[in-house]
Order: sequence, then C-alpha cells, then structure tokens
Amino acid sequence: DADVTQTPRNRITKTGKRIMLECSQTKGHDRMYWYRQDPGLGLRLIYYSFDVKDINKGEISDGYSVSRQAQAKFSLSLESAIPNQTALYFCATSDVDLASGRRSYNEQFFGPGTRLTVL
Amino acid sequence: DAKTTQPNSMESNEEEPVHLPCNHSTISGTDYIHWYRQLPSQGPEYVIHGLTSNVNNRMASLAIAEDRKSSTLILHRATLRDAAVYYCILRDVGAAGNKLTFGGGTRVLVKP
Repeated sequence: DADVTQTPRNRITKTGKRIMLECSQTKGHDRMYWYRQDPGLGLRLIYYSFDVKDINKGEISDGYSVSRQAQAKFSLSLESAIPNQTALYFCATSDVDLASGRRSYNEQFFGPGTRLTVL
Repeated sequence: DAKTTQPNSMESNEEEPVHLPCNHSTISGTDYIHWYRQLPSQGPEYVIHGLTSNVNNRMASLAIAEDRKSSTLILHRATLRDAAVYYCILRDVGAAGNKLTFGGGTRVLVKP
C-alpha cells in the first residue's frame, strides 16, 4: 500500500464550486505539505503544517484553505474554484527536524497527485 | 530562497552516464543542495543531497564545486527508467520548516 495517498485522483468541476482534496499518510510524519504544479513548471508550495495545531501559508495560498484533521490527514479546499486553479496538486510529508534544528535534510515523500480541472 | 539555474533538457543514450549541471551562484553557507526527480505521471522523489563534499548513493552521485556555486548530478548508467525531470533545489537548513522551492528542472530523455 502507498504511504501517501490522495483522493480523488482526478476531478473536473465548474467555476464557483467548493472542492476538497484529501491527503492521508501512514508514515507517521508530523509535517505535511500541499503543492500545485502547472504544465511544464516546477511545484509551488500552497500550505504546510508542522503538526495538527500548526498551519502555515506557502507562496501561493490565496484562494485555498487547509485543514489538518489528524496527524495522518491534511485536506486542501478551494472555496470557490476558478479556472486558473486548474493544475496538478501534490501532497507531501516529511519527518520533523531534530531538536537541534540542524538536521541536514528531511526527505519529502510525495503522493501520486490529483489532477483538478476547473471549467 | 537562493535560486538555481538548470538546462531545460538533456538527452542521453541508455547505459551511458548523464551529467546534469546546476548553477547556484547565490548559495549561502547554510544552504544544502538537494536533487529530486519526477517520473512521468508521478510525484517527485528524493535523489540525493549534499553540503560541501561529494556524495554517492545507490541512485546517483553529487559533485559539488569547491566554491559551492555549482553542482552536478551524475547518473552513472542511464536506464530508460531514469527519464524524468530532475530538480536541483537549495534548502536553507537554518530556516523554519522544510520547504522545497522547485525551479523548472531539467527534462532528461534516455534513448535506447
């Protein structure tokens, strides 16, 4: 079974509709992230969460909101979808840094993506 | 975040080495160099990372210039499965969180 799962995998919706994308993980990681990817471009960070009580905006949070329902679940909502939110959305997880804050890296593990089309 | 510059695309023949360059002239002392790759229709996956010394793992090698202003990801024997977009990313270990800032990456085409 995949460690990071996303539902739905594909979604077509209309302008103005509310959409929720869900992410679940079995890796036991505290940190979760939502990214979007536009065709031919790299990923851009939307929101991230260090634990269930922590939510932080990324570089492109306008028009999006998130909910961290539990350690294993992180949902992304589009309150009123618009066509320029058509993109590929990825969820990712990572482990916490060591208490010293000097850990060299925390590999991020990505889900398979959700392809969202807003008409 | 410090910026990286990569070629848009590269081609290689199967079983031959691939050298993917990355320029990061504004790198700071607390920036680690990370590489991720994204296979077609999949999410990105971690490849390798380094700070100052060259690094090797089962997937690739990372050669870092002495002044750290550039680095090269080396795939020793390319396979068809290595066809992907490769992203060179700088991560400030001193900054809060573990945010990755993706650029455009290099699309690698492997020819049989």
